[in-house]
Amino acid sequence: DADVTQTPRNRITKTGKRIMLECSQTKGHDRMYWYRQDPGLGLRLIYYSFDVKDINKGEISDGYSVSRQAQAKFSLSLESAIPNQTALYFCATQGLNTEAFFGQGTRLTVV
Amino acid sequence: GDSVTQMEGPVTLSEEAFLTINCTYTATGYPSLFWYVQYPGEGLQLLLKATKADDKGSNKGFEATYRKETTSFHLEKGSVQVSDSAVYFCALSDRADSSYKLIFGSGTRLLVRP
Repeated sequence: DADVTQTPRNRITKTGKRIMLECSQTKGHDRMYWYRQDPGLGLRLIYYSFDVKDINKGEISDGYSVSRQAQAKFSLSLESAIPNQTALYFCATQGLNTEAFFGQGTRLTVV
Repeated sequence: GDSVTQMEGPVTLSEEAFLTINCTYTATGYPSLFWYVQYPGEGLQLLLKATKADDKGSNKGFEATYRKETTSFHLEKGSVQVSDSAVYFCALSDRADSSYKLIFGSGTRLLVRP
């Protein structure tokens, strides 16, 4: 099993719908991150969390919310999806002195 | 703020050719530098890293040296293989930033032809 698992892997949704992307990890890391990847822009940080009571906004948090249900679970929600949120979304975890470990990504299309 | 600039792709090479992918950075603190690789349909994997000036990171035949004087971290490989075809991301993490987040370049797609 992968260390960082994202579900779903692919999703098509309609404008205005609420959607949740889920991430779970078996690394035992406290730090978890959600990034968004767009062509030609690399990855940009949406939200990050250091524990279940510590949630922080990244550079592009508008239109998104997150929930850290447990140390191992960190979900990203789009309350009302819009087409410019079409992108590839990555969850990542990081330990105190380790590199970041990424999930396989969720490809989200908003039509 | 901190930023990473890397050469645009795609880069197309023949097998066994020499590879260089340029990366330069801007940082206010003391960054660690990384190269991540993304194979088709997969997430990002750490390829190599360097945490201080003049450090050389290496892995799988790839190398990059942390050059503070030129604020660069160019990726090199002496002889590429078809299996190296992927997207390569240069990234930094500023140790002065308590989020420990990664700041990425835009990515460079490498295509190696047999």
